[in-house]
Amino acid sequence: AQTVTQSQPEMSVQEAETVTLSCTYDTSESDYYLFWYKQPPSRQMILVIRQEAYKQQNATENRFSVNFQKAAKSFSLKISDSQLGDAAMYFCAYSNGALNFGKGTSLLVTP
Amino acid sequence: DGGITQSPKYLFRKEGQNVTLSCEQNLNHDAMYWYRQDPGQGLRLIYYSQIVNDFQKGDIAEGYSVSREKKESFPLTVTSAQKNPTAFYLCASSTVGEAVEADTQYFGPGTRLTVL
Repeated sequence: AQTVTQSQPEMSVQEAETVTLSCTYDTSESDYYLFWYKQPPSRQMILVIRQEAYKQQNATENRFSVNFQKAAKSFSLKISDSQLGDAAMYFCAYSNGALNFGKGTSLLVTP
Repeated sequence: DGGITQSPKYLFRKEGQNVTLSCEQNLNHDAMYWYRQDPGQGLRLIYYSQIVNDFQKGDIAEGYSVSREKKESFPLTVTSAQKNPTAFYLCASSTVGEAVEADTQYFGPGTRLTVL
């Protein structure tokens, strides 16, 4: 079974600063997808970014980017120019069909 | 607007009762999924379906049942056999195979189930 580990239960960042959330995963597969989802207090799960394992180029979506290290099985999320609306739980997930989620990192954004 | 709807938003059940949670999507996605989320936890897969009239158990299927009679709908029944059903339930859908964004799951707003 694939496991996803988020080692930071909580993180804090000041508005306009940059923060990096860590994620590692365990798999014997070579072809898979990785995701970061955001869950604000409304509890709706919102897709932040998607990475295909066969692509070496790191995915970016506006202020969100990833550092994908396939050999190290690491998939960190960088949030640049943090905004108050970025405050949420962030979940890393691995997929080769069904999603396997980490336990999440709670991000606090301070003014 | 295309999307995934779940109803009701809040649901209360007495012990011993079965309840059914609704999930509908108009994204023309082939695959649909049900997840359970407990406080301080990630999501755990209950059931999933990649085609009409077919579905597979996930990691925690005991005490739950599903049906997939239509592509757009994937209702989840929480039976009295589920010993600890109080949780937040999320439905998701995705394309499959070689389709663009295959395996990318989009979620509904969720249903909060409380057993009284």
